[in-house]
Amino acid sequence: DVKVTQSSRYLVKRTGEKVFLECVQDMDHENMFWYRQDPGLGLRLIYFSYDVKMKEKGDIPEGYSVSREKKERFSLILESASTNQTSMYLCASSSTGQGGYGYTFGSGTRLTVV
Amino acid sequence: GQNIDQPTEMTATEGAIVQINCTYQTSGFNGLFWYQQHAGEAPTFLSYNVLDGLEEKGRFSSFLSRSKGYSYLLLKELQMKDSASYLCAVRDRLTGGGNKLTFGTGTQLKVEL
Repeated sequence: DVKVTQSSRYLVKRTGEKVFLECVQDMDHENMFWYRQDPGLGLRLIYFSYDVKMKEKGDIPEGYSVSREKKERFSLILESASTNQTSMYLCASSSTGQGGYGYTFGSGTRLTVV
Repeated sequence: GQNIDQPTEMTATEGAIVQINCTYQTSGFNGLFWYQQHAGEAPTFLSYNVLDGLEEKGRFSSFLSRSKGYSYLLLKELQMKDSASYLCAVRDRLTGGGNKLTFGTGTQLKVEL
């Protein structure tokens, strides 16, 4: 069974802390993505990567950075957490091949910044 | 950029049929997806269209018209467990390779007795 695994289901962090959200996929997918999901705003793309060591800004990259040192792992970093980064964070991966290759999502990390 | 519109909420009766519409504007169109998301869970894949027409998969069907920038998801024989958010997402080709999905804000479907 193919999987995207996010390291934590729930996290509570303090304002100003550096936060790491980890995501690992076992499908040998080229593309990996980080979204946040907020009520009324839907899924918004933070950063994505289509190759090792490659990264691209999504629609809302401010306050975030990412790292992709290995194909299977994509990390989201909050350099200095703020309360407006309280959200559900979803990692996803996909193949580059054409066809019905949508995203496979992880189960999400609900981050609360206090 | 992209603009994806879908209704915020819909209510339907168990056993009925419901159609959820999605309109989009995009460049580099490379497919449209529908996902289902139950509260507190990750989205799960429902359907994919890249050519015009209807794709049927059991109780779920999805339609695409590329010239109109329009899609709909049709759910038949509604069940209470179909109460969920339904996300329309458009895939774009990226000039540097790979692909990217942009999601609409989702349609919250409530199925009532």
